[in-house]
Formats: sequence, C-alpha cells, structure tokens
Amino acid sequence: EVQLVESGGGLVKPGGSLRLSCAASGFTFSSFTMNWVRQAPGKGLEWVASVSSSSTSIYYADSLKGRFTISRDNAKNSLYLQMNSLRAEDTAVYYCARARQKGTFDYWGQGTLVTVPS
Amino acid sequence: QSVLTQPPSASGTPGQRVTISCSGSRSNIGSNTVNWYQQLPGTAPKLLIYSNNQRPSGVPDRFSGSKSGTSASLAISGLQSEDEADYYCAAWDDSLNGLVFGGGTKLTVL
Repeated sequence: EVQLVESGGGLVKPGGSLRLSCAASGFTFSSFTMNWVRQAPGKGLEWVASVSSSSTSIYYADSLKGRFTISRDNAKNSLYLQMNSLRAEDTAVYYCARARQKGTFDYWGQGTLVTVPS
Repeated sequence: QSVLTQPPSASGTPGQRVTISCSGSRSNIGSNTVNWYQQLPGTAPKLLIYSNNQRPSGVPDRFSGSKSGTSASLAISGLQSEDEADYYCAAWDDSLNGLVFGGGTKLTVL
C-alpha cells in the first residue's frame, strides 16, 4: 500500500526556517517524481515544487523561488522541503504528492500544518 | 487569482447531473492534459480524473472528464450526497514551467 507521511510542521516566527519531511513507503520511491503542494486555511491548492526521480530536474512556483528548496534522498525514501524566510502568507497545510506522470498526482499524504503568525 | 478559472460553487439535487468548467490558456490546458481532484471536507485531495478523461481504479463511472481547446469540464451524473466536496482542475503550464490549479469549485448536494 502506498503511504506518504509528512512531518516537521509547526509554529514558526516570521523570518524563521522549517524543514518538512515526507516518508514514502509501498512503492519504488526512486522511480517517481515527487511534489509539494500547499493549501492555506480556507483557500485552494497551490503547487509548490517538484523534483524528478534522480533530482536532475527541479521546478518551483515562481512566487517561492529563492526561499524554498526541495530535495530527496532515495536511499531513505524521503522527500524534503527546506523553507526559509517564512512569512505569514506561508501558513498552510503542506502535502507531499507522488506524480504518476507530469502534473498528475496519484497519491497524497495527509499533510502537515505550518503556521507563521503575522 | 488562479491561472485556471473555475466557478466558485455548483449545486444539484440527488440523482441530477452537474458539470464544472475549467478555463485556461494555450500554455496550460491548450498544450497539456487536465486532471481533476476531489477534496472531501478535512481530507487530502484525491485524483479523480487524469489525462482529460481517464478514471483511476476505484473512481465510479458517474465521474467523467472532457477537454476541448483551452477548456475542460468535469461531469458528475447520478449525484449523491457523498459527492459534496471541493473539486479542482489542474494542468502543467509550459510558460510557467509548473503545475497550475483552478481556484476550486465547492459542490453542494441540496
């Protein structure tokens, strides 16, 4: 059974940093592109970043470039999101998601909440 | 403001057929396939339709998708109370080099 379990969320001060993790199991992690998607409270979905299976291709939402870094460790079946210079508008539930093909996310984690007070 | 445009709300009575539209541009829907996600209250999104009109295993055939030019739509026939959820369209955007979502449509079953 495919499982994606996010961790690392919490309350962080404006300007602070946080590292999210996503532990994957039940599939060959090293064969799939992985993604982070976020959802602010009461708002819609926003794609954050994508990393290809071997980390050769990495993409970010334009609004986040320079502050967030996506990475993965295939030996540990884990996906990461390093978030720096956090702002109140970064408050959201952050989901990791597996891509079965470009832009098609077939499995999602349960999400981890990041709160940056204003 | 989302790159893909969806109506914020839709509604129907049990048994009815409802459609949700998704409008984009040449760089996203016009060039790439469209996916639809269903998000039940308090849960993570779930892939509902992929590659414009394909259903993942386990998704009832009451759900169908279509695409024409730079627009797409999701149809739900035989509406049921458990279909009450938020629905999002999404497509890769070649100009932005990223995935874009619609703003979401909240479906209410009356």
